Amino acid sequence: NAGVTQTPKFRILKIGQSMTLQCTQDMNHNYMYWYRQDPGMGLKLIYYSVGAGITDKGEVPNGYNVSRSTTEDFPLRLELAAPSQTSVYFCASSQRTGITEAFFGQGTRLTVV
Amino acid sequence: AQSVTQPDIHITVSEGASLELRCNYSYGATPYLFWYVQSPGQGLQLLLKYFSGDTLVQGIKGFEAEFKRSQSSFNLRKPSVHWSDAAEYFCAVAFEGNKLTFGTGTQLKVEL
Repeated sequence: NAGVTQTPKFRILKIGQSMTLQCTQDMNHNYMYWYRQDPGMGLKLIYYSVGAGITDKGEVPNGYNVSRSTTEDFPLRLELAAPSQTSVYFCASSQRTGITEAFFGQGTRLTVV
Repeated sequence: AQSVTQPDIHITVSEGASLELRCNYSYGATPYLFWYVQSPGQGLQLLLKYFSGDTLVQGIKGFEAEFKRSQSSFNLRKPSVHWSDAAEYFCAVAFEGNKLTFGTGTQLKVEL
């Protein structure tokens, strides 16, 4: 099984550019999440979704947007990239929120210059 | 709000030595507790989890963790560390209907 797949693995953006980080899962999980990981800060939740058509903000949503048109896909969009968005981004999915194991993608390392 | 504390940012142990990584959480209710491991350049992999029942849980790769309600702790242990255990370890907490909250991580270095 592929599990959770993220693309791209690496990306360099210029300030003000936009991009979409792709995430797809093949486990038929209802719950999907986007985290960012910064050194010494652990993982911070950006957005999450409890099912197709339903999304909600996490701890650090500013500067990001998401959509969930299908169960499988949960893209994260960065509008007007800023250096503060330089980070490693992880997508994850789970069968239920909180109490079941979350499966993580390999991550996208984004640098904004 | 729920929070997780991992007081040790870095830990160095010799190969073959025992290991204990600390994790404390704050919230009123009994949480669901997880330990994840992240190897360099990789995503997070679940080591073990505690939902209820026996407070000593066994995980993959020879790891175990003990839930102590009185201390609000869920420390990760391994009797004998291998060089391949070098990685970053994250404790995470969730409550029914709530999302995972991660600690800031502990970087483990293993000396040969």
